[in-house]
Amino acid sequence: KQEVTQIPAALSVPEGENLVLNCSFTDSAIYNLQWFRQDPGKGLTSLLLIQSSQREQTSGRLNASLDKSSGRSTLYIAASQPGDSATYLCAVTSSNTGKLIFGQGTTLQVKP
Amino acid sequence: DAGVIQSPRHEVTEMGQEVTLRCKPISGHNSLFWYRQTMMRGLELLIYFNNNVPIDDSGMPEDRFSAKMPNASFSTLKIQPSEPRDSAVYFCASKLAGVFQNEQFFGPGTRLTVL
Repeated sequence: KQEVTQIPAALSVPEGENLVLNCSFTDSAIYNLQWFRQDPGKGLTSLLLIQSSQREQTSGRLNASLDKSSGRSTLYIAASQPGDSATYLCAVTSSNTGKLIFGQGTTLQVKP
Repeated sequence: DAGVIQSPRHEVTEMGQEVTLRCKPISGHNSLFWYRQTMMRGLELLIYFNNNVPIDDSGMPEDRFSAKMPNASFSTLKIQPSEPRDSAVYFCASKLAGVFQNEQFFGPGTRLTVL
Protein backbone atom coordinates (compact mmCIF):
# COMPACT_ATOMS: atom_id res chain seq x y z
CA LYS A 1 0.00 0.00 0.00
CA GLN A 2 1.39 3.37 -1.07
CA GLU A 3 2.14 5.76 1.78
CA VAL A 4 3.30 9.34 1.40
CA THR A 5 5.13 11.12 4.19
CA GLN A 6 6.06 14.78 4.45
CA ILE A 7 8.69 16.15 6.78
CA PRO A 8 8.62 18.48 8.60
CA ALA A 9 4.97 18.89 9.52
CA ALA A 10 5.55 22.58 10.16
CA LEU A 11 8.27 25.05 9.32
CA SER A 12 8.86 28.68 10.20
CA VAL A 13 11.52 30.75 8.45
CA PRO A 14 12.42 34.42 8.12
CA GLU A 15 11.66 36.16 4.86
CA GLY A 16 14.32 35.76 2.19
CA GLU A 17 15.51 32.33 3.21
CA ASN A 18 15.77 29.46 0.76
CA LEU A 19 14.02 26.34 2.04
CA VAL A 20 13.38 22.71 1.19
CA LEU A 21 10.28 20.66 1.84
CA ASN A 22 10.58 16.90 1.78
CA CYS A 23 8.26 14.17 0.55
CA SER A 24 8.83 10.43 0.57
CA PHE A 25 6.74 7.57 -0.80
CA THR A 26 6.95 3.85 -0.19
CA ASP A 27 6.10 2.43 -3.63
CA SER A 28 8.06 3.56 -6.69
CA ALA A 29 5.27 2.43 -9.04
CA ILE A 30 3.99 5.90 -9.78
CA TYR A 31 2.89 7.80 -12.87
CA ASN A 32 3.76 11.19 -11.47
CA LEU A 33 4.20 13.32 -8.38
CA GLN A 34 2.38 16.56 -7.81
CA TRP A 35 3.01 19.42 -5.38
CA PHE A 36 0.03 21.48 -4.24
CA ARG A 37 -0.42 24.58 -2.18
CA GLN A 38 -3.39 25.03 0.17
CA ASP A 39 -4.21 28.32 1.86
CA PRO A 40 -6.31 28.23 5.05
CA GLY A 41 -9.94 27.51 4.28
CA LYS A 42 -9.22 27.23 0.56
CA GLY A 43 -8.88 24.56 -2.08
CA LEU A 44 -5.73 23.05 -3.54
CA THR A 45 -3.66 24.83 -6.17
CA SER A 46 -1.37 22.70 -8.29
CA LEU A 47 2.19 24.02 -8.25
CA LEU A 48 4.27 21.49 -10.12
CA LEU A 49 3.75 18.11 -11.75
CA ILE A 50 6.70 15.78 -12.31
CA GLN A 51 6.20 12.76 -14.54
CA SER A 52 7.85 9.52 -13.43
CA SER A 53 10.38 9.82 -16.26
CA GLN A 54 11.44 13.31 -15.22
CA ARG A 55 13.93 14.42 -12.60
CA GLU A 56 12.75 17.95 -11.89
CA GLN A 57 10.38 20.75 -12.76
CA THR A 58 10.74 24.48 -12.23
CA SER A 59 8.25 27.30 -11.99
CA GLY A 60 9.48 30.70 -10.95
CA ARG A 61 11.03 30.46 -7.49
CA LEU A 62 9.91 26.85 -7.12
CA ASN A 63 11.89 23.79 -8.08
CA ALA A 64 10.71 20.25 -7.49
CA SER A 65 12.89 17.18 -7.86
CA LEU A 66 11.99 13.52 -8.08
CA ASP A 67 14.11 10.47 -7.32
CA LYS A 68 11.74 7.62 -8.03
CA SER A 69 14.16 4.85 -7.14
CA SER A 70 14.67 6.17 -3.63
CA GLY A 71 11.05 7.29 -3.24
CA ARG A 72 11.83 10.94 -2.59
CA SER A 73 10.89 14.37 -3.80
CA THR A 74 11.86 17.82 -2.65
CA LEU A 75 10.26 21.20 -3.19
CA TYR A 76 12.78 24.01 -3.12
CA ILE A 77 11.51 27.54 -2.56
CA ALA A 78 14.01 30.31 -3.26
CA ALA A 79 13.97 33.69 -1.56
CA SER A 80 10.87 32.94 0.50
CA GLN A 81 8.21 35.63 0.97
CA PRO A 82 5.40 36.04 3.51
CA GLY A 83 2.97 35.29 0.68
CA ASP A 84 4.46 31.79 0.47
CA SER A 85 2.91 30.98 3.85
CA ALA A 86 0.55 28.05 3.29
CA THR A 87 0.34 24.29 3.58
CA TYR A 88 2.22 22.39 0.89
CA LEU A 89 0.95 18.94 -0.06
CA CYS A 90 2.75 16.27 -1.98
CA ALA A 91 0.79 13.58 -3.85
CA VAL A 92 1.69 10.64 -6.07
CA THR A 93 -0.45 8.97 -8.73
CA SER A 94 -0.14 5.25 -8.15
CA SER A 95 0.43 3.29 -11.36
CA ASN A 96 -1.25 0.31 -9.72
CA THR A 97 -4.54 2.02 -8.94
CA GLY A 98 -4.48 5.33 -10.79
CA LYS A 99 -5.31 7.06 -7.52
CA LEU A 100 -3.71 10.21 -6.15
CA ILE A 101 -2.27 9.52 -2.68
CA PHE A 102 -1.55 12.54 -0.50
CA GLY A 103 0.89 13.26 2.26
CA GLN A 104 -0.25 15.08 5.38
CA GLY A 105 1.39 18.32 4.28
CA THR A 106 3.96 20.78 5.57
CA THR A 107 2.64 24.04 6.98
CA LEU A 108 5.02 26.84 6.14
CA GLN A 109 5.17 30.22 7.83
CA VAL A 110 7.42 32.89 6.38
CA LYS A 111 7.92 35.75 8.82
CA PRO A 112 8.46 39.31 7.55
CA ASP B 1 -12.18 28.85 -17.70
CA ALA B 2 -14.03 28.96 -14.38
CA GLY B 3 -12.25 25.95 -12.96
CA VAL B 4 -13.97 23.27 -10.94
CA ILE B 5 -17.12 24.64 -9.33
CA GLN B 6 -18.55 23.30 -6.09
CA SER B 7 -21.69 24.20 -4.21
CA PRO B 8 -22.54 25.00 -1.55
CA ARG B 9 -19.29 26.38 -0.14
CA HIS B 10 -20.51 25.89 3.40
CA GLU B 11 -23.20 23.61 4.77
CA VAL B 12 -24.40 23.32 8.35
CA THR B 13 -26.95 20.65 9.09
CA GLU B 14 -28.28 18.56 11.90
CA MET B 15 -27.56 14.93 12.45
CA GLY B 16 -29.89 12.70 10.49
CA GLN B 17 -30.50 15.17 7.67
CA GLU B 18 -29.69 14.47 4.05
CA VAL B 19 -26.82 16.45 2.56
CA THR B 20 -26.13 16.88 -1.16
CA LEU B 21 -22.88 18.33 -2.44
CA ARG B 22 -22.53 19.41 -6.04
CA CYS B 23 -19.67 19.64 -8.50
CA LYS B 24 -19.19 20.94 -12.02
CA PRO B 25 -15.88 19.78 -13.54
CA ILE B 26 -13.77 21.77 -15.94
CA SER B 27 -15.24 21.64 -19.43
CA GLY B 28 -13.59 18.89 -21.46
CA HIS B 29 -12.41 16.98 -18.42
CA ASN B 30 -14.09 13.60 -18.23
CA SER B 31 -12.53 12.20 -15.09
CA LEU B 32 -13.94 13.38 -11.76
CA PHE B 33 -12.86 12.73 -8.20
CA TRP B 34 -14.43 13.29 -4.79
CA TYR B 35 -12.13 13.73 -1.77
CA ARG B 36 -12.65 14.33 1.92
CA GLN B 37 -10.21 16.27 4.09
CA THR B 38 -10.05 16.09 7.87
CA MET B 39 -7.38 17.02 10.37
CA MET B 40 -7.05 13.43 11.53
CA ARG B 41 -6.93 11.64 8.20
CA GLY B 42 -5.81 14.29 5.74
CA LEU B 43 -7.04 14.06 2.14
CA GLU B 44 -8.77 10.82 1.21
CA LEU B 45 -10.18 9.76 -2.14
CA LEU B 46 -13.81 8.72 -1.82
CA ILE B 47 -14.76 7.83 -5.40
CA TYR B 48 -13.82 8.63 -8.98
CA PHE B 49 -15.56 8.55 -12.32
CA ASN B 50 -14.30 8.16 -15.88
CA ASN B 51 -16.72 9.24 -18.61
CA ASN B 52 -19.53 9.43 -16.03
CA VAL B 53 -18.97 5.83 -14.90
CA PRO B 54 -17.89 5.11 -11.31
CA ILE B 55 -14.54 3.34 -11.50
CA ASP B 56 -13.50 2.97 -7.86
CA ASP B 57 -15.71 3.66 -4.86
CA SER B 58 -13.59 1.76 -2.34
CA GLY B 59 -12.98 4.97 -0.42
CA MET B 60 -16.64 5.61 0.28
CA PRO B 61 -16.82 5.15 4.05
CA GLU B 62 -20.30 3.72 4.42
CA ASP B 63 -23.53 3.02 2.61
CA ARG B 64 -24.76 6.38 3.85
CA PHE B 65 -22.53 7.90 1.16
CA SER B 66 -23.48 7.79 -2.50
CA ALA B 67 -22.27 9.61 -5.60
CA LYS B 68 -23.66 10.08 -9.06
CA MET B 69 -22.53 11.61 -12.33
CA PRO B 70 -25.58 11.86 -14.60
CA ASN B 71 -23.67 13.74 -17.29
CA ALA B 72 -20.22 15.04 -18.11
CA SER B 73 -20.79 18.41 -16.48
CA PHE B 74 -22.35 17.50 -13.13
CA SER B 75 -21.80 15.23 -10.15
CA THR B 76 -23.34 14.92 -6.70
CA LEU B 77 -22.16 13.41 -3.44
CA LYS B 78 -24.98 12.58 -1.06
CA ILE B 79 -24.87 11.66 2.61
CA GLN B 80 -28.05 10.21 4.07
CA PRO B 81 -28.41 10.27 7.01
CA SER B 82 -25.59 12.60 8.03
CA GLU B 83 -23.64 12.16 11.27
CA PRO B 84 -21.34 14.53 13.20
CA ARG B 85 -18.28 12.48 12.18
CA ASP B 86 -19.02 13.36 8.55
CA SER B 87 -17.97 16.93 9.29
CA ALA B 88 -15.08 17.70 6.94
CA VAL B 89 -14.16 19.60 3.80
CA TYR B 90 -15.22 17.79 0.65
CA PHE B 91 -13.30 18.50 -2.53
CA CYS B 92 -14.11 17.72 -6.11
CA ALA B 93 -11.35 17.48 -8.73
CA SER B 94 -11.25 16.81 -12.45
CA LYS B 95 -8.78 15.95 -15.19
CA LEU B 96 -8.59 14.44 -18.66
CA ALA B 97 -9.64 10.83 -18.39
CA GLY B 98 -7.58 7.85 -19.41
CA VAL B 99 -4.28 9.64 -19.06
CA PHE B 100 -2.92 9.17 -15.58
CA GLN B 101 -0.06 11.52 -16.31
CA ASN B 102 -2.35 14.50 -16.37
CA GLU B 103 -2.72 16.68 -13.32
CA GLN B 104 -5.86 17.04 -11.29
CA PHE B 105 -7.51 20.41 -10.74
CA PHE B 106 -9.36 20.95 -7.50
CA GLY B 107 -12.45 22.93 -6.65
CA PRO B 108 -12.65 25.27 -3.63
CA GLY B 109 -14.33 22.63 -1.49
CA THR B 110 -17.51 22.39 0.57
CA ARG B 111 -17.09 22.74 4.32
CA LEU B 112 -19.67 20.49 5.95
CA THR B 113 -20.61 20.74 9.61
CA VAL B 114 -23.03 18.21 11.03
CA LEU B 115 -24.34 19.16 14.46
